[in-house]
Amino acid sequence: DTEVTQTPKHLVMGMTNKKSLKCEQHMGHRAMYWYKQKAKKPPELMFVYSYEKLSINESVPSRFSPECPNSSLLNLHLHALQPEDSALYLCASRGGRNYGYTFGSGTRLTVV
Amino acid sequence: AQSVTQLDSQVPVFEEAPVELRCNYSSSVSVYLFWYVQYPNQGLQLLLKYLSGSTLVKGINGFEAEFNKSQTSFHLRKPSVHISDTAEYFCAVSKIQGAQKLVFGQGTRLTINP
Repeated sequence: DTEVTQTPKHLVMGMTNKKSLKCEQHMGHRAMYWYKQKAKKPPELMFVYSYEKLSINESVPSRFSPECPNSSLLNLHLHALQPEDSALYLCASRGGRNYGYTFGSGTRLTVV
Repeated sequence: AQSVTQLDSQVPVFEEAPVELRCNYSSSVSVYLFWYVQYPNQGLQLLLKYLSGSTLVKGINGFEAEFNKSQTSFHLRKPSVHISDTAEYFCAVSKIQGAQKLVFGQGTRLTINP
């Protein structure tokens, strides 16, 4: 298995809702990432987990809460989001001899 | 800190013509270099990467890139493009040591015209 799987692919949520994004990989990678990508912009790093511990938080607002329950799974919990948080949320993992960053296909989030 | 500059925001090319997408980077430490492609409404796919060794790197879909340390460049090339190469291309760097994360350039939109 050489993939990063993200669910759901699309999500529409209201500003008072609580939702979660899920990311899963079975490549044995020990570093996992959340990126946010706005239209026509490059991905921007949000969080990095290394060996299931949060190692980087790029000053992300607390309405985004990451969680790494185990080495294969990464969640992003969302609460009280704003319309400007609408974006493509990308998960990635890194590891292996080839030092590859592997990206999932993303979750397209719309906040209404 | 690392930074990446992609010198062209848009590159229009005719089908079967050659193309070069330019990337320069800045870093006070040694880095790994990457090119990713993003098709509409999709995630990022790795085209190729430079970790060490030969400065000419070959990737998927007929792409190649050359690492030039003195010019801090990592330009992407393809000798003959196809309509299916229409996409957004991102150059990225990652530190070799320490906290490792991908830092992206602003992207180059490659449009292939028939």
